[in-house]
Amino acid sequence: EDQVTQSPEALRLQEGESSSLNCSYTVSGLRGLFWYRQDPGKGPEFLFTLYSAGEEKEKERLKATLTKKESFLHITAPKPEDSATYLCAVPSLDDKIIFGKGTRLHILP
Amino acid sequence: DSGVTQTPKHLITATGQRVTLRCSPRSGDLSVYWYQQSLDQGLQFLIQYYNGEERAKGNILERFSAQQFPDLHSELNLSSLELGDSALYFCASSVGGTTLEQYFGPGTRLTVT
Repeated sequence: EDQVTQSPEALRLQEGESSSLNCSYTVSGLRGLFWYRQDPGKGPEFLFTLYSAGEEKEKERLKATLTKKESFLHITAPKPEDSATYLCAVPSLDDKIIFGKGTRLHILP
Repeated sequence: DSGVTQTPKHLITATGQRVTLRCSPRSGDLSVYWYQQSLDQGLQFLIQYYNGEERAKGNILERFSAQQFPDLHSELNLSSLELGDSALYFCASSVGGTTLEQYFGPGTRLTVT
């Protein structure tokens, strides 16, 4: 069964304390993996799409990487405004979009 | 602002009723996706339309239906509502049929009492 699992479920960091979020997936024929950021009560905001193992993408303090089994979202020197839920998702072979349950990130000032 | 609009923002209705949620995609986008988000289930893909045709179907209940109109706006119809249908419903749009870069609307919060 196609599945996306994110860990940890929640993460509290001090401002400036770097860390990584994990997204592991089992899907036949990966056609891409994407990361979103979601603030409470709002729609997810697109961050990155990764298409193949070894690919990396960066945006401000965020860097996403992809292997054959998982993706990492690295957060370098985070600020309180980086607090949000981070979601990853993959499309199945029949184009169903499978989202993980997300990691709730809280950055303390 | 993603450019995707959804109406209404909030909807409160009773069990057994029927409601219609509306979505307008970003200008130029041909695909519309519908998602349901509840606290315990996370973001669940319901259905995708591409240029008026159904393209992919997720875990959409038979009580739910959707369509995309010639002007590319979409409607999600929910009928015989149950308490468990209370959730945030999001619409997203993308340029192509297989584009992973989706832009989400602000959502409609449905409360079934």
